[in-house]
Amino acid sequence: GAGVSQSPSNKVTEKGKDVELRCDPISGHTALYWYRQSLGQGLEFLIYFQGNSAPDKSGLPSDRFSAERTGGSVSTLTIQRTQQEDSAVYLCASSLYSGTGPGYTFGSGTRLTVV
Amino acid sequence: TQLLEQSPQFLSIQEGENLTVYCNSSSVFSSLQWYRQEPGEGPVLLVTVVTGGEVKKLKRLTFQFGDARKDSSLHITAAQPGDTGLYLCAGDSASGTYKYIFGTGTRLKVLA
Repeated sequence: GAGVSQSPSNKVTEKGKDVELRCDPISGHTALYWYRQSLGQGLEFLIYFQGNSAPDKSGLPSDRFSAERTGGSVSTLTIQRTQQEDSAVYLCASSLYSGTGPGYTFGSGTRLTVV
Repeated sequence: TQLLEQSPQFLSIQEGENLTVYCNSSSVFSSLQWYRQEPGEGPVLLVTVVTGGEVKKLKRLTFQFGDARKDSSLHITAAQPGDTGLYLCAGDSASGTYKYIFGTGTRLKVLA
């Protein structure tokens, strides 16, 4: 597609439920990133994909968080047993390749609210 | 741990004024990027600087990378309401690697 597409745009869930967030990157972009942004602050790195592999998962806050990418394209971020502190905007970005230079193209994010 | 501190955190100015936003770290970066984010949207890349001392201009925006590649500044001349948004700097986590670390952000509001 023309841009990075994320769905849903908004998600309200009850504490303890599982949620899945989807990211559809720009076609041909091999690198894909998930970030989390709380209350309009800076971005917190969660995970990086190169193709279908995730060489860096160091930012995932706990084992309740997992992510996968299939076909070198769509990625899903799953949060199990959601907690109120998981409430944030989850941003996905893709890049033509990893490394210095190309910059990220971000999606509009999924605003997750855990009640 | 690499950290990028931005200052000021918040800035509210009148249309036509000039302003400078700073991005500082104790770490050296191979490159640094600036993004602008509007409410409900993802950040949009404005510029990438890669050489110490480099200055880049984008219309009324001037970006500078420090000589030691530890800091950067964004200067806006004659600010307009359309410049309103959250400005984020981001540095690559280590030389030649894949991940950018984002700064704490500067929220700018330009009043008409």
